[in-house]
Amino acid sequence: GIQVEQSPPDLILQEGANSTLRCNFSDSVNNLQWFHQNPWGQLINLFYIPSGTKQNGRLSATTVATERYSLLYISSSQTTDSGVYFCAVPSMDSNYQLIWGAGTKLIIKP
Amino acid sequence: ETGVTQSPTHLIKTRGQQVTLRCSSQSGHNTVSWYQQALGQGPQFIFQYYREEENGRGNFPPRFSGLQFPNYSSELNVNALELDDSALYLCASSLDRGTDTQYFGPGTRLTVL
Repeated sequence: GIQVEQSPPDLILQEGANSTLRCNFSDSVNNLQWFHQNPWGQLINLFYIPSGTKQNGRLSATTVATERYSLLYISSSQTTDSGVYFCAVPSMDSNYQLIWGAGTKLIIKP
Repeated sequence: ETGVTQSPTHLIKTRGQQVTLRCSSQSGHNTVSWYQQALGQGPQFIFQYYREEENGRGNFPPRFSGLQFPNYSSELNVNALELDDSALYLCASSLDRGTDTQYFGPGTRLTVL
């Protein structure tokens, strides 16, 4: 089945810094989703981005489907950006299951 | 705020017991997916329901079962609880079946002693 790898596994930054999170996947996909899980467990969908670039405020994401990776950019980090960032892609074996990466744990220090 | 609610927030059970977790999807969302998330890991897909029928299942034993109701509520039932069932259980609702954009509830943290 498809493999999803995220890097780095952990990232500690000062407030105001910028960061880039990466998601690599082992096979062609028709969509990719980025999620943020806050320290209390709430998962929020950030982007649904099969290809190209999308922006939402301080966050943007780029997926290069032909090269099988996606990047999530966070600019001017705030402490509320802390948490775990996951990417997820559809399973190759089914049309209903998302395969998730292990996540990048981001800590923003004040 | 995703409009998806789950109950209870926390639950403690003992091994061998049965548990029912509940989820209320966004109005108009015909699909609900359930996930198990162990500490420090990504969510693992349990199953998905579309219009009250199971649309797909992950690698979980039959003691994990579900129901979806016409009023956008759903249940996850787990029988014969094991220690390894301790996890955060998440439901996610979406407009359509498959891997459409998913909106997650806050989760139920289950501890099995």
